[in-house]
Amino acid sequence: ELVLTQSPGTLSLSPGERATLSCRASQSLSSSYLAWYQQKPGQAPRLLVYGASRRATGIPDRFSGSGSGTDFTLTISRLESEDFAVYYCQQSGSSQWTFGQGTKVEI
Amino acid sequence: QITLKESGPALVKPTQTLTLTCTFSGFSLTNSGVGVAWIRQPPGKALEWLSVIYWDDDKRYSPSLKSRLTIAKDTSQNQVVLTLTNMDPADTATYYCAHSPIAVLPVGANLYSYYYMDVWGEGTTVTVS
Repeated sequence: ELVLTQSPGTLSLSPGERATLSCRASQSLSSSYLAWYQQKPGQAPRLLVYGASRRATGIPDRFSGSGSGTDFTLTISRLESEDFAVYYCQQSGSSQWTFGQGTKVEI
Repeated sequence: QITLKESGPALVKPTQTLTLTCTFSGFSLTNSGVGVAWIRQPPGKALEWLSVIYWDDDKRYSPSLKSRLTIAKDTSQNQVVLTLTNMDPADTATYYCAHSPIAVLPVGANLYSYYYMDVWGEGTTVTVS
C-alpha cells in the first residue's frame, strides 16, 4: 500500500503569513495522481489541487501545489482567515487510493 | 451543477450490514471517464478512502476492508450503493460519496489522465452501537 505522510501535524501561523505543507509518498508517484483537499469543521472536504499543481475550479491563486516523485508541497502564499482548516493529500496512483493523516493549520 | 447526497441508517448494531446510497445529479455514470467514490471519517480522525466505481463497472476497494465491501451502480436511478458487512463500533464514522472523474488533459505534446474527487456530498453519520 502506498502510504502518504504529511508534515507537520499542526502549523501555527498568523493571517498574512505563508504556509508550507508537505506530503511524502512511500514510493514514487506520478504527479497526475496527487490531490490536495481542505476540510473545515463540520464540512465535507473541498478539492483544492489535482495533478499535484493544477488548481481546481474556483480555488484562489494563493493556493499552489508542487512536487514530484515522492515529495509534494501545498503552499498558501498569504493566509486568510478562511484558510485555517485541515488539509489532506491523497493519491490515486495505485489501485488502492490513500489519504495522508492531515495537517491542521491553526491561528 | 453536480450534486451528491448520501442516505442510509444513522444507527446500526454490531454484526449487521450497512447499506448506504449515494444519489447524484448533474452527471451520468454511463459516460466515459466518470466515477463515484466512497470515503469515511471516524470522529476526530483522518479521511479514509473505501471504494470507487467507474462508468465501465471497474471497481476498486480498500485492501483492509475489501472482504466486507461491495459497491454497485444503478444508472437508471443515478445511484451508487455501498454495503459494508459485519459492522463494528470501529466503523462509526461520517460516510461521504464523491464525484470522481478521470480527466484526460494535454501537457505539452502528451496526454495525461488525472484522478481526483471534485464534488462531495455532505456526508451521513453512522453510529455502530
